[in-house]
Amino acid sequence: ELKVEQNPLFLSMQEGKNYTIYCNYSTTSDRLYWYRQDPGKSLESLFVLLSNGAVKQEGRLMASLDTKARLSTLHITAAVHDLSATYFCAVEFNQGGKLIFGQGTELSVKP
Amino acid sequence: NAGVTQTPKFRVLKTGQSMTLLCAQDMNHEYMYWYRQDPGMGLRLIHYSVGEGTTAKGEVPDGYNVSRLKKQNFLLGLESAAPSQTSVYFCASSPSGLGGSTDTQYFGPGTRLTVL
Repeated sequence: ELKVEQNPLFLSMQEGKNYTIYCNYSTTSDRLYWYRQDPGKSLESLFVLLSNGAVKQEGRLMASLDTKARLSTLHITAAVHDLSATYFCAVEFNQGGKLIFGQGTELSVKP
Repeated sequence: NAGVTQTPKFRVLKTGQSMTLLCAQDMNHEYMYWYRQDPGMGLRLIHYSVGEGTTAKGEVPDGYNVSRLKKQNFLLGLESAAPSQTSVYFCASSPSGLGGSTDTQYFGPGTRLTVL
């Protein structure tokens, strides 16, 4: 059974600080996705990581994938209030486009 | 393009009532999915479809049925609603089975369902 676990589940940060969200998964998969969800809203795709060692960056967010360790990280640099949201990682299961999601990390960036 | 749309946005049901949630996409995507989102549990796949006329079970299919009679529509049915089905339901679509280098799932706005 594929399990996806995120750590931490809640994160309160000060503006300007750096932090990392971790996503561990239990079985082999070469595809990992990061999504953002604002309160009461839908999910927005952030990153698609397709292979071991993949690194992608967009603004203050950088995601990486280590398939051997079954670990992805989402690094936040110099956080700003606009980054406050819930972040989900998801792993493709048995190919065919099915995703298993982590529990989500609720990020709150305070002045 | 409207992307992925869901109808209705909110609904309150009594235990035992039935209802159908409608998902529509205008991106000509092959794959469509229904998820439920509950606090602290992320999103869980209910059913999915890999093309018109096909459906398959996901992680939590019990108590739900689906149909994909047209490529652009994916319907989720609750035949006899139970309080445990109180949740936020999201529909998603993708071009194919996420085989492309930029393929991802595109999500609708969600339907908030309460079963009393």
